[in-house]
Amino acid sequence: GAVVSQHPSWVICKSGTSVKIECRSLDFQATTMFWYRQFPKQSLMLMATSNEGSKATYEQGVEKDKFLINHASLTLSTLTVTSAHPEDSSFYICSAPEGAGTETQYFGPGTRLLVL
Amino acid sequence: AQTVTQSQPEMSVQEAETVTLSCTYDTSESDYYLFWYKQPPSRQMILVIRQEAYKQQNATENRFSVNFQKAAKSFSLKISDSQLGDAAMYFCAYFKMEYGNKLVFGAGTILRVKS
Repeated sequence: GAVVSQHPSWVICKSGTSVKIECRSLDFQATTMFWYRQFPKQSLMLMATSNEGSKATYEQGVEKDKFLINHASLTLSTLTVTSAHPEDSSFYICSAPEGAGTETQYFGPGTRLLVL
Repeated sequence: AQTVTQSQPEMSVQEAETVTLSCTYDTSESDYYLFWYKQPPSRQMILVIRQEAYKQQNATENRFSVNFQKAAKSFSLKISDSQLGDAAMYFCAYFKMEYGNKLVFGAGTILRVKS
């Protein structure tokens, strides 16, 4: 299957700083990518849909100014957690369908964020 | 709105035995996709199996098979000859192309494998 990478895998930051997480499709182009948040032993919660060349679409209740998404190219989407606070500590996962209109999504390995 | 329900928060199985994980979903659509994803302790989401709703034949991938009952809106996963490496959280998911290409996940089932 297709490969999606995320960087960094682990990040610890101080409260009030911003953190950028990258999601890359390594062997395919992705016009759409998805960002999820997951708490321990819970399901994935969709935060937003990242669209190449246009604005991201955020799910209800997700703060657009807190979680900035940029789909810079057909293989890269970034999630920036701005002015991070301890309650933003979580596991963030991205996914991408292998082709436009494709139903099967491939997931990145996730990024653990700890805000002190 | 589409919903996916996994009613078993946790399941246990003895190594080499068979276990079935349950999943039901709610939709008014006739054409859609269903998936089972596995999330081991590493937390990497791994696609286990997928089913296209218009296909009556149940999908199979080695030791993993599904029992797809479209009328009952049921999509269970059977794991045969369970192995220690099968221990993980399993998520059932629904997909319909027109709904923003989003996956709708169930709450998940933690599977423990006993040696």
